[in-house]
Amino acid sequence: QLQLQESGSGLVKPSQTLSLTCAVSGGSISSSGYSWSWIRQPPGKGLEWIGYIFHSGTTYYNPSLKSRVTISIDRSKNQFSLKLSSVTAADTAVYYCARAYSGSYLDYFDYWGQGTLVTVSS
Amino acid sequence: DIQMTQSPSSLSASVGDRITITCRASQTISNYLNWFQQKPGKAPKLLIYAASSLQSGVPSRFSGSGSGTDFTLTISSLQPEDFATYYCQQSYNTPRTFGQGTKLEIK
Repeated sequence: QLQLQESGSGLVKPSQTLSLTCAVSGGSISSSGYSWSWIRQPPGKGLEWIGYIFHSGTTYYNPSLKSRVTISIDRSKNQFSLKLSSVTAADTAVYYCARAYSGSYLDYFDYWGQGTLVTVSS
Repeated sequence: DIQMTQSPSSLSASVGDRITITCRASQTISNYLNWFQQKPGKAPKLLIYAASSLQSGVPSRFSGSGSGTDFTLTISSLQPEDFATYYCQQSYNTPRTFGQGTKLEIK
């Protein structure tokens, strides 16, 4: 059974960089046919896709965040990471990592981490 | 970006009721439409993928339909554990986008 586990700082000061890691267990992050995403949810609000990375290292970012986001992959540790720079209070959210199956005419988030709350505050 | 609009935003229903949630895309997305259920404090859970395919382990009372721009999620007979928030999501292109959610509450 695949499991994803987010970790990182739960409190970040404004203008600093948010850093999170998603550890993957029960499967290889290098498997083809999958992408690895970060998705966030501000308190009481809906879901926003941040971006994803393939095992090859190819990335796609949400244009609304693209200038501040970096997603990277560490195949040796079976994990991927998120960095979001120049954070403000608007970046306060529960951050989820998720796997997407990407096949012929199919693409869906089938496994999610439990989520981690990141608060931006001085 | 493709905008996903769900209706209604909230819905009150009783155990045993049949309910339908609608999701409309701002442009055609073929059948690249997924449905998720989210309970408070939990990660979203995949219910339906590719508009109408039931994810493994999901009860058969859940069903999805539609193609192009208009989609529906139907729960045939509500159970107590179904009261949650439901989101649609398009995977036709990037950025991936979600509907604003439909909160299903007990009447």
